[in-house]
This record gives sequence, C-alpha cells and structure tokens, in this order.
Amino acid sequence: EVQLVQSATEVKKSGESLRISCKGSGYSFTSYWIGWVRQMPGKGLEWMGIIYPADSHTIYSPSFQGHVTISADKSISTAYLQWSSLRASDTAMYYCAKSLTSGWAYGMDVWGQGTTVTVSS
Amino acid sequence: QSALTQPASVSGSPGQSITISCAGTSSDVGGYNYVSWYQHHPGKAPKLMIYEVSNRPSGVSNRFSGSKSGNTASLTISGLQAEDEADYYCNSYTSSSTQVFGSGTKVTVL
Repeated sequence: EVQLVQSATEVKKSGESLRISCKGSGYSFTSYWIGWVRQMPGKGLEWMGIIYPADSHTIYSPSFQGHVTISADKSISTAYLQWSSLRASDTAMYYCAKSLTSGWAYGMDVWGQGTTVTVSS
Repeated sequence: QSALTQPASVSGSPGQSITISCAGTSSDVGGYNYVSWYQHHPGKAPKLMIYEVSNRPSGVSNRFSGSKSGNTASLTISGLQAEDEADYYCNSYTSSSTQVFGSGTKVTVL
C-alpha cells in the first residue's frame, strides 16, 4: 500500500525552530514529487512548495519562499518541512502529498494524515 | 499568487447534479490543462477527484466529472449523495511554475 505517514502534533513558541516529516512507503520514493500544503484554522488549502527527492530539486510558492525550507532524505524515504523561527501565524495543519506521476503539475494522489502545528506567542 | 475563485457554497438535493466553478486567468487555469480537483472532509486528508481537467483517478466514482472553458474550470457532481458533502478545491499549475489552489467550496446535500 502506498502511503505517507507524517510526524506527530507539535506545540511550539514563537521564535523556536521546527522540522516536521513525511515518510513514504509502498512506492519508489525517488520517482515522484512530494508537495506540502498548509491549511490554517477555518481557511482553505494553500500550496507551499514541492521537492523531487531524487535530486532535491525544490520549487517554492512565492508566499512561502524564505520562511520555510523543504528538504528530503532519499535514503530513508522522508521529506521535511522546516522553520528556523516560527510565528504565531504558522499555526495550521500541514499536509504532505505525492505527485500522481513523475511530473509534478498533474495532481497529488496520495496524502499524509496531516501534522498540526500550534505556535503560541 | 492569488487563490483561484470558487463559490463559497453550493447545495443540492440527493440525486441532483451540481457544478462548482473555478475561475482563474490565462496565466493559470486558461493557460494549461493542469487543473485538478480535491475533495476534503474535515479532519481527513484531501482526496484527488479529477486531474488534467477531466481525468478521474482509479476508484473515483464516474459521478464526478471535470471540464474547462477559457479561464474557468468546473467540477460537476451528478446523482448527489450524502457522502459527497465536503469541501472541494480546484488547483492549477501557473505560469510562475508553481501551483495555486482555489478558495474552496462547501458542498451541502439538503
């Protein structure tokens, strides 16, 4: 079974750093892109960026560039989303998702269960 | 990058058909056939319903169909069922080589 399993809920304070993870299994991790999507409380989905684990080529949404870092460790089939200095406005649910094909523009067919991040000021 | 424009809510009775629109520009929806649609039940992971404007992934009911005209894409749900009640989001590739989601539509089955 193809699945993405995300790390557990995080509760942090403003200014702290954080890295959340997304582990893929049941497929060739290096053959598909992994994207990250944010959903703030009561709001819609926002596309943050995407990474190709085979070579770590990464594309960011302009809205998130410079504030988050997307990375991957292909040796353990895991992608990461990290912050060096959290803000209260980073409080949200974060999903990772796998691309439908080896091209990343077509759609995301498998999603992680989501990681809740709560940042207090 | 601004979110694509969707109606906040759409409702219908069981068995009816409803259509959700997704308005963009020539730099996203109108410029590429890379429009996808996602169903999102609160508390669960989103589910891919349509990709490349009108293609259904394996396992998705044929009651769901997608289309595009100009800068606007549409998702139609026919034979509406109680289980279809959820939030729906469109997504498009953009000329900036990124993706953008729609604002989301809450579907209510009356």
